[in-house]
Amino acid sequence: EADIYQTPRYLVIGTGKKITLECSQTMGHDKMYWYQQDPGMELHLIHYSYGVNSTEKGDLSSESTVSRIRTEHFPLTLESARPSHTSQYLCATTGTSVGELFFGEGSRLTVL
Amino acid sequence: TQLLEQSPQFLSIQEGENLTVYCNSSSVFSSLQWYRQEPGEGPVLLVTVVTGGEVKKLKRLTFQFGDARKDSSLHITAAQPGDTGLYLCAGLGNNDMRFGAGTRLTVKP
Repeated sequence: EADIYQTPRYLVIGTGKKITLECSQTMGHDKMYWYQQDPGMELHLIHYSYGVNSTEKGDLSSESTVSRIRTEHFPLTLESARPSHTSQYLCATTGTSVGELFFGEGSRLTVL
Repeated sequence: TQLLEQSPQFLSIQEGENLTVYCNSSSVFSSLQWYRQEPGEGPVLLVTVVTGGEVKKLKRLTFQFGDARKDSSLHITAAQPGDTGLYLCAGLGNNDMRFGAGTRLTVKP
């Protein structure tokens, strides 16, 4: 079972603020992902990483950025939050060739 | 474009009933997973199917992968209120995982 942690779980901020959502895993997995999920909708891949210093954008256009300086951490940053960024952000990791994902509990962001 | 279509989108049944939910695609997947997600939580992996025609059972849940590896079904026998949640299917294509929009299941006591 993967151990993957996201903070904060809930965040309410004003427009224009810079925020960083943290994601940490203790399994030593190389592959990590960020998904965005609106209520009742499918998960959309916004960023992924296949290892240290490797980051790629996913299918859904996002104004966020990510970094992967250490294997364990995959933080997501919004330089200037807007109400359209209100959503749930899910971090995941996999250590298998068949793509089995282990998810964190999510960060629910509300931008006023 | 959503590559994985899940049906029904919503399902509300009484405790003890049986149900089947579907995950369909025009794409071939090398593997397919089913996840369950509860409100405010991340999805939790239920099962992975890899081989066309494969059937896997997890207590009262039966998962089937289509022969052509393009579709899958999840059958729940004698549903219980604890089965309530959002059921997501996800397919692994060329190095990326695609999710369906999910089936939101409510089991009433």
